Amino acid sequence: KQEVTQIPAALSVPEGENLVLNCSFTDSAIYNLQWFRQDPGKGLTSLLLIQSSQREQTSGRLNASLDKSSGRSTLYIAASQPGDSATYLCAVKRSQAQGGSEKLVFGKGTKLTVNP
Amino acid sequence: DTGVSQNPRHKITKRGQNVTFRCDPISEHNRLYWYRQTLGQGPEFLTYFQNEAQLEKSRLLSDRFSAERPKGSFSTLEIQRTEQGDSAMYLCASSLAMGAHWNEQYFGPGTRLTVT
Repeated sequence: KQEVTQIPAALSVPEGENLVLNCSFTDSAIYNLQWFRQDPGKGLTSLLLIQSSQREQTSGRLNASLDKSSGRSTLYIAASQPGDSATYLCAVKRSQAQGGSEKLVFGKGTKLTVNP
Repeated sequence: DTGVSQNPRHKITKRGQNVTFRCDPISEHNRLYWYRQTLGQGPEFLTYFQNEAQLEKSRLLSDRFSAERPKGSFSTLEIQRTEQGDSAMYLCASSLAMGAHWNEQYFGPGTRLTVT
C-alpha cells in the first residue's frame, strides 16, 4: 500500500527566504507525482506535475524534483512571499504497469507561513 | 473555461438525512474523480469515472454512498442516511485521458458537509 509522508508538517519563514518542502513515498512504482497548494477552506490548485520519466519541473519561482528510486520529491520555493502562505500537498499516481489505478494518494501536507 | 465547479459549497444536515452534491468538470475533460478530505488530512480517493462509466471505487465508498455521471458530463454524489462521521470536505476533480496536460487532475472548490 502506497504511503506518502510530508515533512515538516508546518514551516514558518521570513519573507524573501528560499525554502524546500519534502515529500516521500514508499512504493517507487509511480506514474507521476503532483504538487498542489490548498488555501484554508478551499479546493486544491495544481502547481506542478512530474512524470515518472522526468527529474524536475519548473514554474516561475517553483521547482519540483523527483528521485523515483529513493522515493523522494522536493518542492523548492524561491524568494518566498506572504502570498505563498498555504498548505502544500504532494500526491502520487501508481504506475499502470504495476496494476495501478487512476487515483492519487496524498500526503497530509506542509502548512507554510511566510511572515512579512 | 471556468474550471471545476461544485454545488452547494456548504451543506448542513441532520443525521439520518440524505444529501446530494453536484460536480461540473472542465468542459471536454472525460475523467472525473471524487475525493473526501477531513481536517488535517490529505484528500482520500472515493471513485472515478471515464465518460459515464464508473471504473473504480474505493472501499471508503460504503453502500450508503452512490455516484453517477449519467451523460458523461456532470456528476452527482449522494450520501444516504448521513452519519456524523460523514462530515468532511468533498472534492471533485477532472482530467483529460489524452493530449496536453493529460492525467493532470484539476480540483474544484469542494463541498463542505456538516452532519449534526
